[in-house]
Amino acid sequence: QVTLKESGPALVKPTQTLTLTCTFSGFSLTTSGMRVSWVRQPPGKALEWLARIDWDDDKFYSTSLKTRLTISKDTSKNQVVLTMTNMDPVDTATYYCARTRLEDYHQYMDVWGKGTTVTVSS
Amino acid sequence: DIQLTQSPPFLSASVGDRVTITCRASQGISSYLAWYQQKPGKAPELLIYGASTLQSGVPSRFSGSGSGTEFTLTISSLQPEDFATYYCQQLNGYPPWTFGQGTKVEIK
Repeated sequence: QVTLKESGPALVKPTQTLTLTCTFSGFSLTTSGMRVSWVRQPPGKALEWLARIDWDDDKFYSTSLKTRLTISKDTSKNQVVLTMTNMDPVDTATYYCARTRLEDYHQYMDVWGKGTTVTVSS
Repeated sequence: DIQLTQSPPFLSASVGDRVTITCRASQGISSYLAWYQQKPGKAPELLIYGASTLQSGVPSRFSGSGSGTEFTLTISSLQPEDFATYYCQQLNGYPPWTFGQGTKVEIK
């Protein structure tokens, strides 16, 4: 059974750096074609794709947020870490990680964590 | 970045109705499109990928079609558990990827 779980602080202050961890089981990020993505959703708003890391350590970022984001993985711990610098109240959102697969040239996010809610406030 | 425009943003329908949601891309994305369902307070769930391939376990009343810049998600006979918000996502080649703004399906 594939599961993912996000963890991190529920509250951060403006200008601080947010560190979120996605701990997963049921698959390996050393398997060719396997990826993990991060997505966020501000309250009452749409989903926003943030970043992706691949089995071969390729990394991709949102155009608007790429200067603030860093994604990394620890395959021995089955974890993916996302850091976001210079947090602002507009970054208040639920943050999700999701397994991302490549199959027959099609990519998709097939299993999601339940999400972790982050509030940015002084 | 590729922009996705979903329509309508809100849809009011009755149980048993046939429902169609449209997603338009700002440039051609072949069939690299997925659809997700999200219920309040829950994570999104994958319904369809590759524009028309039904994810395992998803009821057959859901179907997807389209290629290039115009795509549709159809629910052939709306069920009570289908009232939710639906998002399209383009996964064309290398990221960045984008989501549509969502379509909320409400009970009439």
